[in-house]
Amino acid sequence: GQQVMQIPQYQHVQEGEDFTTYCNSSTTLSNIQWYKQRPGGHPVFLIQLVKSGEVKKQKRLTFQFGEAKKNSSLHITATQTTDVGTYFCARIAGGTSYGKLTFGQGTILTVHP
Amino acid sequence: NAGVMQNPRHLVRRRGQEARLRCSPMKGHSHVYWYRQLPEEGLKFMVYLQKENIIDESGMPKERFSAEFPKEGPSILRIQQVVRGDSAAYFCASSFREGGTEAFFGQGTRLTVV
Repeated sequence: GQQVMQIPQYQHVQEGEDFTTYCNSSTTLSNIQWYKQRPGGHPVFLIQLVKSGEVKKQKRLTFQFGEAKKNSSLHITATQTTDVGTYFCARIAGGTSYGKLTFGQGTILTVHP
Repeated sequence: NAGVMQNPRHLVRRRGQEARLRCSPMKGHSHVYWYRQLPEEGLKFMVYLQKENIIDESGMPKERFSAEFPKEGPSILRIQQVVRGDSAAYFCASSFREGGTEAFFGQGTRLTVV
């Protein structure tokens, strides 16, 4: 299947430092979604990007979709302990399985106070 | 407006027993997706159902696993003759329509096979 590769797998930061996770695909993506999963929790939708070069912000979170629509990134400015969790990107399948999500491996973020 | 409800939250089964996982989608949602998450791994798609229909089961293991979404009642993921490798978190997600902007996930069922 068409996978999305996500790096890094782990990231440890001191509180106040910035954090970035990257998502890459070998094929053009129609759109990309980002989810956050707290330890022991369930995935929670953060955002969807659709347009080439799109940039969206949610407070300290900045999401980008590459010009070629083959990569995306999530950047967190000045991390806080509440940012701890795993961040996943996901592509949405088309065709008859429209809505089916293919997730990246996720980036596990640890924030040290 | 209740979210996606999954039960049980935790399930312990001995090898060889059956596991039944239930998912009630959000009110008004008729599309249900099941995902499996092994420890420290990402979520893997298993099956996509609409009411009374399996749309895509390409992620389901060929044996022992089945899913249904009856006209009335929750969606059920059934695992027969469980093995230790089935231990994982199973999440279901629902959406209002195909490819709705966001998928709403339930809290998951953590299955432990002993």
